[in-house]
Amino acid sequence: DAGVIQSPRHEVTEMGQEVTLRCKPISGHNSLFWYRQTMMRGLELLIYFNNNVPIDDSGMPEDRFSAKMPNASFSTLKIQPSEPRDSAVYFCASSLSRLADTQYFGPGTRLTVL
Amino acid sequence: KQEVTQIPAALSVPEGENLVLNCSFTDSAIYNLQWFRQDPGKGLTSLLLIQSSQREQTSGRLNASLDKSSGRSTLYIAASQPGDSATYLCAVPFTGGGNKLTFGTGTQLKVEL
Repeated sequence: DAGVIQSPRHEVTEMGQEVTLRCKPISGHNSLFWYRQTMMRGLELLIYFNNNVPIDDSGMPEDRFSAKMPNASFSTLKIQPSEPRDSAVYFCASSLSRLADTQYFGPGTRLTVL
Repeated sequence: KQEVTQIPAALSVPEGENLVLNCSFTDSAIYNLQWFRQDPGKGLTSLLLIQSSQREQTSGRLNASLDKSSGRSTLYIAASQPGDSATYLCAVPFTGGGNKLTFGTGTQLKVEL
């Protein structure tokens, strides 16, 4: 398996623009997680899905952030409009189930908002 | 709210040394603890997962222990190598269950030749 795939790997955009990050989980995994990593706050969970359904989005910082999982092999994290403080590395991870399974992380998308 | 602390924040050792990384958590009602490795500019790689019923797990030169009652875990790396240089993070599930993880701030390890 290719592992968790994220695109793009790097994104540079201007404040106010819409940003869409994409994730393909490992085939057969039923849970998908979106994380954000910054120097100041470390690694934070934004939202997670189980069987394509959002289970907990309490980590989503603002209404500008939204996430979808239209099918078992694809998820998006959208920021609209983007702001400089959204600059971070965004990781997607997947696991077999919502229970205590190992999470497998993608390589991340480094977002820079100017 | 679960809080996870890792000490030290950074560590530099000569090649060949055995070393211990520490992780502490405030809520002992966990059912597992995971150790991850993160290389610069890369994602996280799972190293070990210890279930709450276990006291330790081993993988190659890595050994992780878990003491739930004291809210502590240690990651022991034997005979360190330059390739072990990375940031090591521990993570525990959110209080309340599921697979939502709270991560520690990490220990940045450098193994020098």
